Amino acid sequence: DTGVSQDPRHKITKRGQNVTFRCDPISEHNRLYWYRQTLGQGPEFLTYFQNEAQLEKSRLLSDRFSAERPKGSFSTLEIQRTEQGDSAMYLCASSLDPGEQFFGPGTRLTVL
Amino acid sequence: GESVGLHLPTLSVQEGDNSIINCAYSNSASDYFIWYKQESGKGPQFIIDIRSNMDKRQGQRVTVLLNKTVKHLSLQIAATQPGDSAVYFCAENISHAGNMLTFGGGTRLMVKP
Repeated sequence: DTGVSQDPRHKITKRGQNVTFRCDPISEHNRLYWYRQTLGQGPEFLTYFQNEAQLEKSRLLSDRFSAERPKGSFSTLEIQRTEQGDSAMYLCASSLDPGEQFFGPGTRLTVL
Repeated sequence: GESVGLHLPTLSVQEGDNSIINCAYSNSASDYFIWYKQESGKGPQFIIDIRSNMDKRQGQRVTVLLNKTVKHLSLQIAATQPGDSAVYFCAENISHAGNMLTFGGGTRLMVKP
């Protein structure tokens, strides 16, 4: 399968713990995006990379959130000191330059 | 701020009928629009897109209409099938501004057999 993959698919953590999610985009896609989706809502943009450069960050991305794409391929999204309000589906998407964004299956985070 | 929205949260149709899902957008600078389908537990799946220099685009069983005058977007699904049951989102983008998508709140399509 050459689609976007995300790991883990589900994560349950206690408030205050740190979590890290991984996204593997479609190979050769130079753009990678992170979105957050809560129940019944559309995805909300968090940040995006062009190759290894993080070019845009939403105001939703507080200082507890950090994303990296060190080699311009896979990306990680870390949330430090998780809060219950961080519970959501975290979606990753990739595209080849401006174009159709292909989404992964998401990582569902539950903060207890 | 400006955002994409949908008029109907739930649409119920009979199998075989045509479905129309509507969306209003407010950012006049948006020049690229996409419809996504999302099934439970999955990420959004691209259905069809349209650029602002067009007012209609057809795919397989789907048609997207764009009315820039009233900032309205619609998705038409012909001969709706049970497999079309999902939540549908419209999204907008300003293509020169990084390709970030702004999504609306979604419409749930339920197909009755």
